[in-house]
Amino acid sequence: DGGITQSPKYLFRKEGQNVTLSCEQNLNHDAMYWYRQDPGQGLRLIYYSQIVNDFQKGDIAEGYSVSREKKESFPLTVTSAQKNPTAFYLCASSFQGRNSPLHFGNGTRLTVT
Amino acid sequence: AQKITQTQPGMFVQEKEAVTLDCTYDTSDPSYGLFWYKQPSSGEMIFLIYQGSYDQQNATEGRYSLNFQKARKSANLVISASQLGDSAMYFCAMRVWGGGADGLTFGKGTHLIIQP
Repeated sequence: DGGITQSPKYLFRKEGQNVTLSCEQNLNHDAMYWYRQDPGQGLRLIYYSQIVNDFQKGDIAEGYSVSREKKESFPLTVTSAQKNPTAFYLCASSFQGRNSPLHFGNGTRLTVT
Repeated sequence: AQKITQTQPGMFVQEKEAVTLDCTYDTSDPSYGLFWYKQPSSGEMIFLIYQGSYDQQNATEGRYSLNFQKARKSANLVISASQLGDSAMYFCAMRVWGGGADGLTFGKGTHLIIQP
């Protein structure tokens, strides 16, 4: 079955460490996205990529970095520069176009202490 | 810039009743799509329904329908005959295309609780 896989489901890190969240899709989607969700809040866009080897900052890119070396993969690194990294992170992918829904992975819950 | 407003932080509804979740949006782009997602307590985001800005008819998908009023910039989700399994967070979102931006802009959500 096609889908989006995020791993791990839960991640714990010490403050000051960088951490990389994995996102893989086999839906043949061109576009991929990373969102952050805080308790009781909507989703906020961190980064997106519409094509391999290209990506754009979203609304809250500071303290994060991404790469898009393969169509299927869009890993997110949470760097030590991110001031409040503890959150629920959702990866998504879609076809191009305003009428295409985003399909989401099951998320990674990151806790930094 | 786009903005989505959901004014109902939480709702309690009796099982089998219909429920309307409010959503208003703001954009200067004439071409856009409106989406509703369901997020159960497990966290995954489930796509429910889509409405395009040029669509003449309101979208329907099973028990879900979208009451699209373009002049009022509203896109309310209607769930008919609610079930206990409908208890979840519901998010309204918008996508525009072109102009150098992409992705969905989300509202803050409505927490729907269905009571037996």
